[in-house]
Amino acid sequence: AQSVTQPDIHITVSEGASLELRCNYSYGATPYLFWYVQSPGQGLQLLLKYFSGDTLVQGIKGFEAEFKRSQSSFNLRKPSVHWSDAAEYFCAVAPGGAGNMLTFGGGTRLMVKP
Amino acid sequence: DSGVTQTPKHLITATGQRVTLRCSPRSGDLSVYWYQQSLDQGLQFLIQYYNGEERAKGNILERFSAQQFPDLHSELNLSSLELGDSALYFCASSRQYGYTFGSGTRLTVV
Repeated sequence: AQSVTQPDIHITVSEGASLELRCNYSYGATPYLFWYVQSPGQGLQLLLKYFSGDTLVQGIKGFEAEFKRSQSSFNLRKPSVHWSDAAEYFCAVAPGGAGNMLTFGGGTRLMVKP
Repeated sequence: DSGVTQTPKHLITATGQRVTLRCSPRSGDLSVYWYQQSLDQGLQFLIQYYNGEERAKGNILERFSAQQFPDLHSELNLSSLELGDSALYFCASSRQYGYTFGSGTRLTVV
């Protein structure tokens, strides 16, 4: 069965600093990969997704993610964090393509220091 | 507005009771997924329907059931509620290359 691991439960960064959130997946083939963000009390908003092609994917709010097949990773990055980025971030995979259910990682809670 | 509508937004009920959560998918989406988000279990997939038929089942308790109607809206029925069922329940719908989530129903069992 597929699984998704987000090794960092909490991360604190200073405003303006760069950010990288880690995501590793376990699946026999290349799954469809997603990053979602959840603000407190809110739903899940899609930041970006990867299906195929260019392994560097651009998303909303200045986020990007890089798919590395050799490392089974799909890390999320942002060059300069804003206070409004404080939220919980979830990596998810859909094995076998869209139309299958998403499996989520445990999430990483991001805190931003002024 | 994501296009996926969930009602009610909040629900408080007593142990042993039964509730129904409703989800209207984004227009044109045939698949509906239900997820439970709790502090100890994270985001858990419960069940998927596609065009009225059950397609996949995850960690859904026997006390829980769901269905998708001809107009494609879906309902998640939770019965014999326990304190541990308190959680945020999300519905999502999908089309070819994307999944869209509703804002969730927060269920509190007291």
